[in-house]
Amino acid sequence: NAGVMQNPRHLVRRRGQEARLRCSPMKGHSHVYWYRQLPEEGLKFMVYLQKENIIDESGMPKERFSAEFPKEGPSILRIQQVVRGDSAAYFCASSPAGANYGYTFGSGTRLTVV
Amino acid sequence: SQQGEEDPQALSIQEGENATMNCSYKTSINNLQWYRQNSGRGLVHLILIRSNEREKHSGRLRVTLDTSKKSSSLLITASRAADTASYFCATDNDNQFYFGTGTSLTVIP
Repeated sequence: NAGVMQNPRHLVRRRGQEARLRCSPMKGHSHVYWYRQLPEEGLKFMVYLQKENIIDESGMPKERFSAEFPKEGPSILRIQQVVRGDSAAYFCASSPAGANYGYTFGSGTRLTVV
Repeated sequence: SQQGEEDPQALSIQEGENATMNCSYKTSINNLQWYRQNSGRGLVHLILIRSNEREKHSGRLRVTLDTSKKSSSLLITASRAADTASYFCATDNDNQFYFGTGTSLTVIP
């Protein structure tokens, strides 16, 4: 059981480029959550997805950010035209059937925008 | 595993009582954080305590950190039914960020 896999672990992008963060949930988990952690701050909820559906995106910025969880393959968090303020750690968590069944978190992707 | 581990896994108390949850970890850390998760919702950040701090307060929350024992505790005083949730600790040591599996707290009205 490999757990929740996030890649890459570290990502460096220049301002204006696109960042793609991947999250493979645990086997059997169909619910995925993305969180962002700015330096010296706690995690902040971004988006909650099930296969092919966005359930709750209330924490995601309206512009430049998008997320998907296709029927096949990992969940992708996409940040277009990155800015320095996007530099943060992005964490993905998965659960088998919603938050009541417990989360398993990945180790995160640390995005640095230069 | 280098994850934080909370205990107990589940805790049930009467409204008005205090609730104490503990967290142990294995690596050196920059800070330790506690989060709450209400049913069906995302994690909510409660409090962050740095490795050079021993105690921190926020409203009815009191967090302690003992780096020599690699442990932390979260105390919720005068509990309310609305405190019913899962509570997670998370450790940050620059290279890794680990969550524990959580303590499920039930406060009975």
